[in-house]
Amino acid sequence: AQKITQTQPGMFVQEKEAVTLDCTYDTSDPSYGLFWYKQPSSGEMIFLIYQGSYDQQNATEGRYSLNFQKARKSANLVISASQLGDSAMYFCAMREGFMNTGFQKLVFGTGTRLLVSP
Amino acid sequence: DSGVTQTPKHLITATGQRVTLRCSPRSGDLSVYWYQQSLDQGLQFLIHYYNGEERAKGNILERFSAQQFPDLHSELNLSSLELGDSALYFCASSVEWGPNTGELFFGEGSRLTVL
Repeated sequence: AQKITQTQPGMFVQEKEAVTLDCTYDTSDPSYGLFWYKQPSSGEMIFLIYQGSYDQQNATEGRYSLNFQKARKSANLVISASQLGDSAMYFCAMREGFMNTGFQKLVFGTGTRLLVSP
Repeated sequence: DSGVTQTPKHLITATGQRVTLRCSPRSGDLSVYWYQQSLDQGLQFLIHYYNGEERAKGNILERFSAQQFPDLHSELNLSSLELGDSALYFCASSVEWGPNTGELFFGEGSRLTVL
């Protein structure tokens, strides 16, 4: 079974609008971390936001927020007030075993390509 | 700038050759991870080193090897290269101990093209 599922291969949004990128995950570990990364066409992987499984509140970082619904095992990324520079590939990732600091591999989804139009 | 440095940024070589990719982690990070990103496989975990010791292996071919040196930089060696090894190779580093949220900070990647 896929650990991380991103069902939207591509998304379009107009500048200044909000957009939600979907991510569902599968784990039986009570301790895990969820991440979103942005990969522009230049190729680098840019860390955006993190949510720990025990965090009570949804994570926010500027225009990015993570809509964490633990019971549904979803961790959707919300980008408010989209900008042209937000056009990129977005990856959701999960790290299991949060308390086990011996190994922190991230497993990535297949990504969603976001295109922001003027 | 993530603070993780990878060299070279681009590399073109021929089948059968051997290349070495280098990674310098962020200052203070003891862990180094290598990932491969190809068009048909997505982002695949290859190997993890912590403070010079190999901690875990992922989908790493036997033709590939890595090491982490005392100064914590790491090298990924790819030998007997095949066309299918063409990919973007990422190094990432993290702090594993203490109050951290477990982010992996990625370098800009080394784009390998095998002709």
